[in-house]
Amino acid sequence: KQEVTQIPAALSVPEGENLVLNCSFTDSAIYNLQWFRQDPGKGLTSLLLIQSSQREQTSGRLNASLDKSSGRSTLYIAASQPGDSATYLCAVPPRRGSTLGRLYFGRGTQLTVWP
Amino acid sequence: DVKVTQSSRYLVKRTGEKVFLECVQDMDHENMFWYRQDPGLGLRLIYFSYDVKMKEKGDIPEGYSVSREKKERFSLILESASTNQTSMYLCASSPGLLVRETQYFGPGTRLLVL
Repeated sequence: KQEVTQIPAALSVPEGENLVLNCSFTDSAIYNLQWFRQDPGKGLTSLLLIQSSQREQTSGRLNASLDKSSGRSTLYIAASQPGDSATYLCAVPPRRGSTLGRLYFGRGTQLTVWP
Repeated sequence: DVKVTQSSRYLVKRTGEKVFLECVQDMDHENMFWYRQDPGLGLRLIYFSYDVKMKEKGDIPEGYSVSREKKERFSLILESASTNQTSMYLCASSPGLLVRETQYFGPGTRLLVL
């Protein structure tokens, strides 16, 4: 079973800062890693999915990297804005060999960006 | 766009009641999931289904059952609701059996059991 840890649990920054959210997982034999965003009281929205063969994936101001050997991923948010305030979760599937699409989630980093 | 809908955003029930939470997806996805989310505990998988009439226990199935009679609909059933089942319930779906695809989430149902 995967154990997924996210650090820090909460982060509060002024607008415009570049910031890094961290995710670590225990079993490096993964197909991919995903980052999700959750707004208060809402469901999750997929932000980025990095396949195991990739080292990073970019979408706008977001960049996610994956280092399978060390069991780590980072989500980099450039020039943060108040609209980025949300909880960010990372998730990994079971180890290779599993064909069922379940995910293991970290507990998330709650980000607040103030004007 | 993929759409996952949940029957209620907020629900208040009494202890001992039978509770049905419904989830519908409109993209012909094979997999469907039910999670609960609690402060400090994160998302925990209750049950999932990879085909009609197929179900698998997740990490916390006790006190819950599920039903998938049609591909697009996945129901979570609390046979006899208890106060410790007060939580946010999230439904999700994903396209197929491969683990390469993302999951698409519904807006959630916040359940309060009195």
